[in-house]
Amino acid sequence: ETGVTQSPTHLIKTRGQQVTLRCSSQSGHNTVSWYQQALGQGPQFIFQYYREEENGRGNFPPRFSGLQFPNYSSELNVNALELDDSALYLCASSLDQGALQPQHFGDGTRLSIL
Amino acid sequence: GENVEQHPSTLSVQEGDSAVIKCTYSDSASNYFPWYKQELGKRPQLIIDIRSNVGEKKDQRIAVTLNKTAKHFSLHITETQPEDSAVYFCAASTGAAGNKLTFGGGTRVLVKP
Repeated sequence: ETGVTQSPTHLIKTRGQQVTLRCSSQSGHNTVSWYQQALGQGPQFIFQYYREEENGRGNFPPRFSGLQFPNYSSELNVNALELDDSALYLCASSLDQGALQPQHFGDGTRLSIL
Repeated sequence: GENVEQHPSTLSVQEGDSAVIKCTYSDSASNYFPWYKQELGKRPQLIIDIRSNVGEKKDQRIAVTLNKTAKHFSLHITETQPEDSAVYFCAASTGAAGNKLTFGGGTRVLVKP
């Protein structure tokens, strides 16, 4: 069984640039959630995708957007990068969108904004 | 929205002793409570979870208790070992906004040999 994989592992960008992060869900999982984890804090929910549709969103501005593909992999796009966007971005997949479904995380992409 | 508070922020225990981490949540509609362990530079790893129709769940040295009336839940680790050293996060989900998890701020556990 293949776990959640994310790419790239590290990324350095400058303010104002755009970035795309990628996630492959665990085998058999059709739901992908994205979280932002600032240093020393718990992960914060950005949004969730289920069957290629956004299925819920946290308190993040519209410059955070995403996609899910027919194979259930997903992308997180961030436009107009700000210094505060520096964080570990985690992807988690679950078997379904149901509230009681365990979420399993990837290793994350560490994004640094200069 | 949901708010999850976690205490303590750091916990130092002697190897073999027990460790207890407590979390409170604000939304009475929350019905799923997972616990994650995150070692330095690694992914959060799901170690145990509990659903609102259960008061207690145990898996070897780890147990979680849930008090829905008081809106708090706790993680208990018995016979701690150095490899238990990590940051532990509690989380809660209501099922709204998909199965969004709201996390606590984390507890850094250090097990001293």
